[in-house]
Amino acid sequence: DVKVTQSSRYLVKRTGEKVFLECVQDMDHENMFWYRQDPGLGLRLIYFSYDVKMKEKGDIPEGYSVSREKKERFSLILESASTNQTSMYLCASSYPSGGDGTDTQYFGPGTRLTVL
Amino acid sequence: QKEVEQNSGPLSVPEGAIASLNCTYSDRGSQSFFWYRQYSGKSPELIMFIYSNGDKEDGRFTAQLNKASQYVSLLIRDSQPSDSATYLCAVNGDMRFGAGTRLTVKP
Repeated sequence: DVKVTQSSRYLVKRTGEKVFLECVQDMDHENMFWYRQDPGLGLRLIYFSYDVKMKEKGDIPEGYSVSREKKERFSLILESASTNQTSMYLCASSYPSGGDGTDTQYFGPGTRLTVL
Repeated sequence: QKEVEQNSGPLSVPEGAIASLNCTYSDRGSQSFFWYRQYSGKSPELIMFIYSNGDKEDGRFTAQLNKASQYVSLLIRDSQPSDSATYLCAVNGDMRFGAGTRLTVKP
């Protein structure tokens, strides 16, 4: 069974703090993704990575950065947290597309971040 | 920007009916299409993927793809209360998601 874990289920931070969200997968997936999910807006892609040390901006990268030093770990960093970054953050991983569903994404349980 | 659109609902059907969920996408080059189910407070999980035009069936679920019309749908036959969830459409390996359709199946 694929397992994607996230470092915290719930997190409360103050405005201006630096926040680290960690994601670890155990399936040797090349691809890893960070999303945020807000009511009415669905899942929005923040950053993704196709390989170690590689990163690509998604649709809403502003205010975020990422790090992928090892294949199994993908970190999302909020350099200076703001109240509009209060959200559910979901990490996912997958293989590259092989035309047979191999690029199915597996999601972690999510981190609900509240910035006060 | 590549877009994926879903009718946001909510959609309500009686138990035993067919639920029809729809999704359109803007990128004509899209190759792979996914339907995920997300229960309240949980993460999305895959229901089906489809790559070729036509229908693909898996139990009570049927995915339909029409690349010419840039349209993908999910039919749920014999809907059950346990099918009540938000259904997310996703396109391609870079995974743009629709906003989701919330389905309620009433006993």
